[in-house]
Amino acid sequence: DQQVKQNSPSLSVQEGRISILNCDYTNSMFDYFLWYKKYPAEGPTFLISISSIKDKNEDGRFTVFLNKSAKHLSLHIVPSQPGDSAVYFCAAYSGTYKYIFGTGTRLKVLA
Amino acid sequence: SQTIHQWPATLVQPVGSPLSLECTVEGTSNPNLYWYRQAAGRGLQLLFYSVGIGQISSEVPQNLSASRPQDRQFILSSKKLLLSDSGFYLCAWSGWEKTDTQYFGPGTRLTVL
Repeated sequence: DQQVKQNSPSLSVQEGRISILNCDYTNSMFDYFLWYKKYPAEGPTFLISISSIKDKNEDGRFTVFLNKSAKHLSLHIVPSQPGDSAVYFCAAYSGTYKYIFGTGTRLKVLA
Repeated sequence: SQTIHQWPATLVQPVGSPLSLECTVEGTSNPNLYWYRQAAGRGLQLLFYSVGIGQISSEVPQNLSASRPQDRQFILSSKKLLLSDSGFYLCAWSGWEKTDTQYFGPGTRLTVL
């Protein structure tokens, strides 16, 4: 049972344009969500998070949107840069010490 | 500031050999500790987590085990490796507040031949 889903395994975006990565979840009890960026052969790096009491959180080029009614969150990267090319994971805190991760979306930013 | 270390960075082991991967965290006390595995082309699979010394919760039944001999030390072990144990192993830590972010170590690439 995949509680956190990233349905797009890959995404290609032109440099300077917006990248939108999507994530859906099934458990309405999740109350904290995170996005991570991962390069090959490295550990994931924390990017940005959002509490369920908010619908938007912004940090520089990264903005996370949360739509609780749709159980959907998205990460917007504007403008996209070649260095943003990586695998992006969304995660939800389950409330019992555990973080549930999606399967990741590979973003490729084309120069 | 907090840092998390994992070693070794890469490991090639024959089938049936033992395994010991170590993870240590600096700059924090009483962290929650986690072991994940990322198989090729897959997401992050939670293997074990620990909320205190000597306390281990197992998420996936398998031939791996974990131990937490000290507050900031987390060890992943196996008595006999299988081919299917190959993957990228990640250690992570979080604070004890539920809204704390989880931070990852650099990972260990394990290849079982």
